[in-house]
Order: sequence, then structure tokens, then C-alpha cells
Amino acid sequence: AQSVTQLGSHVSVSEGALVLLRCNYSSSVPPYLFWYVQYPNQGLQLLLKYTSAATLVKGINGFEAEFKKSETSFHLTKPSAHMSDAAEYFCAVNAGNNRKLIWGLGTSLAVNP
Amino acid sequence: DAMVIQNPRYQVTQFGKPVTLSCSQTLNHNVMYWYQQKSSQAPKLLFHYYDKDFNNEADTPDNFQSRRPNTSFCFLDIRSPGLGDAAMYLCATSREGQGIYEQYFGPGTRLTVT
Repeated sequence: AQSVTQLGSHVSVSEGALVLLRCNYSSSVPPYLFWYVQYPNQGLQLLLKYTSAATLVKGINGFEAEFKKSETSFHLTKPSAHMSDAAEYFCAVNAGNNRKLIWGLGTSLAVNP
Repeated sequence: DAMVIQNPRYQVTQFGKPVTLSCSQTLNHNVMYWYQQKSSQAPKLLFHYYDKDFNNEADTPDNFQSRRPNTSFCFLDIRSPGLGDAAMYLCATSREGQGIYEQYFGPGTRLTVT
């Protein structure tokens, strides 16, 4: 069975600081992994995805994530936080021939001036 | 731009009064999903369509129904809304056959039950 764990339901950083949001997954088959961002009262927007082509994945808004099979992790990073990055971030996994995504519980990112 | 559209963005209904939320897409995707999302929680899948094939989640209450009259449109019907059904409802689409199943979301409809 697949699962996703996001460590830290709330993360707070200063503007200009490194953003690190953690995601660990469990999957018995090679996974596809996704990070989505959700701004207040909005839908979810795909930030980036891992599809086995490259372990370091670059996404929109300066975010990137690295797939580490040995650590079963797919952490999201951004070198320098901006106030506009304040949002909820969800990690999700899909494995096998399955239309469903398994979602993490989300991490709320606050960016302080 | 190709997109997923949800109407209305905000819906207020009375306890027990049926309500319908709509979703349309210009992506020509063959899979459409409905999610319920409550405050500070992950989205919860209610059901999805693969073309006209309806797939209900085991824990979706019977109070929730869906229709997909064509590829572009999908509706969520709540037959008798209760206070516990107040939530954000998200529609998403994906394309079967790409093997990746990334989902594209609409902006959501926030449902208030009074």
C-alpha cells in the first residue's frame, strides 16, 4: 500500500531564507510523486512532479525537489522564500496503474518579513 | 488557456436543500474527479469518472451523487446537505494513458450550509 508522510504541519521561515518542506513516501512499486500548492480559497496547483526521468526536479516559482530512493523522500526546497510563497503545500504519490493520488496531510508555510 | 472551471465559486444552501455544483474542462481529459476538502485537511476523493465509467469511493455517503453528461462537464449533487457537508469542493481532471496521472484542479466551490 502506498502512503505519504509530510513532516511538520506548520513551517515558518523568514523572507529570503531557505524553504525545506519534507515528504516521505511508501510504495511497493516505483512511484510517481507530486507537490501541489494551495493558496487560500483556491484550488491546488501542480508545482512539480517526479516521473523517473531525473531525480532532481525543477518546478514553478523557483521550487525544486529531489527524489531519493534510499531515503524514500521527495523533499521540496526553494533557496530564498518570498512572501508570496505563504500557502499550503501537499505532497502526493501515485504508483502502478492507478488513477488515484494518495495525499499527505499538508504543510502550511508561513513567511515572515 | 486550457483549464478547469468550477461554478459557482461560493454557494450557500440551506440544511436539507439539494444543491448542484458544476465543473467543466477544456483540457479534453478523460478522467474527472470530485474531492471534498475541509479546513486544514488534505483533499478527500469522493468519486471519479473514467469517460462515462463512474467510480465511487467506498466511504462516500449516499447523499453525494455525480453526473457526467459529456467529456467536458461533470456535476456534483448533494441531495440533502447537512452542516457537516460545508467544505470546499474541488474538481480535477487527468488524462488516462499517459501513465503519470497528474491531476489538474479547478479553483473550487466553497459550500456553506445554513
